Order: sequence, then C-alpha cells, then structure tokens
Amino acid sequence: GENVEQHPSTLSVQEGDSAVIKCTYSDSASNYFPWYKQELGKRPQLIIDIRSNVGEKKDQRIAVTLNKTAKHFSLHITETQPEDSAVYFCAASRVRDTGNQFYFGTGTSLTVIP
Amino acid sequence: DSGVTQTPKHLITATGQRVTLRCSPRSGDLSVYWYQQSLDQGLQFLIQYYNGEERAKGNILERFSAQQFPDLHSELNLSSLELGDSALYFCASSPQAWDETYEQYFGPGTRLTVT
Repeated sequence: GENVEQHPSTLSVQEGDSAVIKCTYSDSASNYFPWYKQELGKRPQLIIDIRSNVGEKKDQRIAVTLNKTAKHFSLHITETQPEDSAVYFCAASRVRDTGNQFYFGTGTSLTVIP
Repeated sequence: DSGVTQTPKHLITATGQRVTLRCSPRSGDLSVYWYQQSLDQGLQFLIQYYNGEERAKGNILERFSAQQFPDLHSELNLSSLELGDSALYFCASSPQAWDETYEQYFGPGTRLTVT
C-alpha cells in the first residue's frame, strides 16, 4: 500500500517568516494530494489540494508544489501569522479497485511566534 | 461548518460496553469515511462506504463495524470497548465518483472516553 512520510514533526517560525512542510509518498499511482489544518480538538480542514497533472497551486499565502518524479510534495506558507499555528497533515490518494483510501502523514505541529 | 454532522459530540462509557457513532454526510456526497485519532496521533483510516456499500477497509479492528444506510448516513459500531479505544472518531464525506478522487470534508468528531 501507500506510505506517506511527513517532515518535520514540529516547526517553530517567527511571525512573518515562511514555513515549509514536506511529504513523500511511495505509490507512483497516487494522484491526489490534499493538505489539512487541524486546530486542537477541532476537525481537520482542507486548506489546499493538488492533483498529479499540476506542478504547483497557490491560494493567497499558501502554496503546494508537487514533484512526481521524486514523489514528494510540499506545503509553503508565507508571511506566517499566529493564527497559522496548528497541526498540518498531508495525504495521498488514488482511485483503485479496492476503494479510495486516503493515506495521511503523521502531522507537523506549527507554532508561529509573535 | 463543513456540512458533515456527527453525533454524539462526547461519549463516556465503560470497558466492555458497546457504542454507536453516527454520521450524516454533506448533501449529495455518496462516500463516507471513518477515521480514528488517538491523543497526539495522526489520522488512522478505518473504513470507507460508497453509496451504501463497503468500498475500502483500513486498520479497523474486528470489534468495530460500520454501515451506510439508504439515506447515506453512516454508523460506526464499537463493541467490547477497551481503554485504548479512547480517541476522537471523525467521519468525512466526499462526492466520490467511481473513477475520480475528490476532496474530503470532515465532521466535528465524536470524542470517546472509555473508563
């Protein structure tokens, strides 16, 4: 099956700096890669996603890049703000005969220091 | 608000007991997923249903079972509960088509505490 690894597990940045979180996946057939933000005790919320036919996608201060050859994708947050502090999860998915399972990374706890 | 609802919000029960968690997907979504999230852990996929049928199975224990009803709501049944089953249980729904992957939207979760 798919294996998604996420790094770093914790990340602290100064307000205004950029934050980068990286994920690697093992199944070259995976074709959908979402990122979720989860605040303590709350639901994971989709913040951005990318499909395998696209190399980069941006939404205001958030961007995701995908390198299919190397099988890794990254989340970039620019001009970080204290409200960006949360746990971020990456995931990989594909449609297969046995269903459509999402494989999640282990999460990155981001702290933005004011 | 994602449009996915889960009940109850909190559940406290004793070891050996059985509980049922309920999920209503977003309007029009055919696919429902169940996840377990233990303290400071990631999201462990349990099971997926699509339009009433089991579609994919993850790390779901034999003591756990689920189903999706004709109105598309889903229930997760946990039996012979153990202390280690204490966790947040999330349901997510997706407008999953048979041949394409779409985004998941998570419900608010049910916090289960087994004492």
